[in-house]
Amino acid sequence: GGIITQTPKFLIGQEGQKLTLKCQQNFNHDTMYWYRQDSGKGLRLIYYSITENDLQKGDLSEGYDASREKKSSFSLTVTSAQKNEMAVFLCASSHWGGAAEQFFGPGTRLTVL
Amino acid sequence: GDSVTQTEGLVTVTEGLPVKLNCTYQTTYLTIAFFWYVQYLNEAPQVLLKSSTDNKRTEHQGFHATLHKSSSSFHLQKSSAQLSDSALYYCALSDGGSALGRLHFGAGTQLIVIP
Repeated sequence: GGIITQTPKFLIGQEGQKLTLKCQQNFNHDTMYWYRQDSGKGLRLIYYSITENDLQKGDLSEGYDASREKKSSFSLTVTSAQKNEMAVFLCASSHWGGAAEQFFGPGTRLTVL
Repeated sequence: GDSVTQTEGLVTVTEGLPVKLNCTYQTTYLTIAFFWYVQYLNEAPQVLLKSSTDNKRTEHQGFHATLHKSSSSFHLQKSSAQLSDSALYYCALSDGGSALGRLHFGAGTQLIVIP
């Protein structure tokens, strides 16, 4: 078994602020993902990484940067927070390859004032 | 590109009655696998069911789903809903167009089971 840890659990920012979310996994998985969860819109892929120092853009990458510093960690940066934005950001990991089950972290809830 | 459609945003069912959550898909690639994820309140999404075989029923925790490629569907069903089944359910497909088999999620269906 393993676990995915996301920090912080809650993040409150100001408009225009640069905000960083962190994710750690101890599954020893190759691939890690960042999703944004909005009510009624499902889980939308922001960035993913198949190995250390690799980055791939997802469907919603504009306005975000990511960094895969090592195999176990994957960070997401909101480059300029949008006023009144509220969303949950979910980190996930899986073994490499199709049909691999993704395991999710508990999420970071972002509120921008 | 790939897309997954969950037609109901909210399903309400009385405890003990059957429930069906719909999932249809479109893809231009050879699909690899289909998933149903469940997310309980304040928890992380987790896999409920997984299937990659056409016309084969898959079961877990009282839920079942059958992949029907002829109708591009992977509906989730349970014969008798329980209060503890109240949660957000996502249908997802993993396509063969990407070596990663990235997941494409539907918009989600909120299931509420009432006494």
